[in-house]
Amino acid sequence: DQQVKQNSPSLSVQEGRISILNCDYTNSMFDYFLWYKKYPAEGPTFLISISSIKDKNEDGRFTVFLNKSAKHLSLHIVPSQPGDSAVYFCAARRTGANNLFFGTGTRLTVIP
Amino acid sequence: DVKVTQSSRYLVKRTGEKVFLECVQDMDHENMFWYRQDPGLGLRLIYFSYDVKMKEKGDIPEGYSVSREKKERFSLILESASTNQTSMYLCASRFAGGNYGYTFGSGTRLTVV
Repeated sequence: DQQVKQNSPSLSVQEGRISILNCDYTNSMFDYFLWYKKYPAEGPTFLISISSIKDKNEDGRFTVFLNKSAKHLSLHIVPSQPGDSAVYFCAARRTGANNLFFGTGTRLTVIP
Repeated sequence: DVKVTQSSRYLVKRTGEKVFLECVQDMDHENMFWYRQDPGLGLRLIYFSYDVKMKEKGDIPEGYSVSREKKERFSLILESASTNQTSMYLCASRFAGGNYGYTFGSGTRLTVV
């Protein structure tokens, strides 16, 4: 039972444009959400996170939006750069838990 | 520079072999995790450990066991390797509690032939 879903396996965007990666979740007990970025042959690295008490968190070119009523979050990358090409995983944590639930990932390709 | 180190990047084992995947972290993290990553399935939790000698099953523990004798080391054991255990294995660690994310190792690509 996939509690965190990334329905787009891949996304291609031109350099300089906006990349929008989407994530849906089913468990209303999730209270903390994270995005990880993964290059081939490397482990995922933390990108940005958001608590359920917020609806937006920004860090440089990366912004995460949370819509709790829709159980949906999105990651915006503006402007996109070729070095952003990677697989992006959405993750969520249940209140009081230590482990994360991950989505299936979206492969972003930024075309120069 | 804080690190999670997985002992092997690539590993090839035969069906039926007992396989040990080692993970060491130098951040004094209480929690450690083993995930496997497969195309179209994302990261799935195999086992995790809250602290030394503590372990909990994740979503797909069948065919695996773990050992955490020291805080910095978390081992994943494939009791009798099978071809469906061919995968990328990722170890991660974090501080207990709070809004802490994971720090991941670089992964071990295991092929069972």
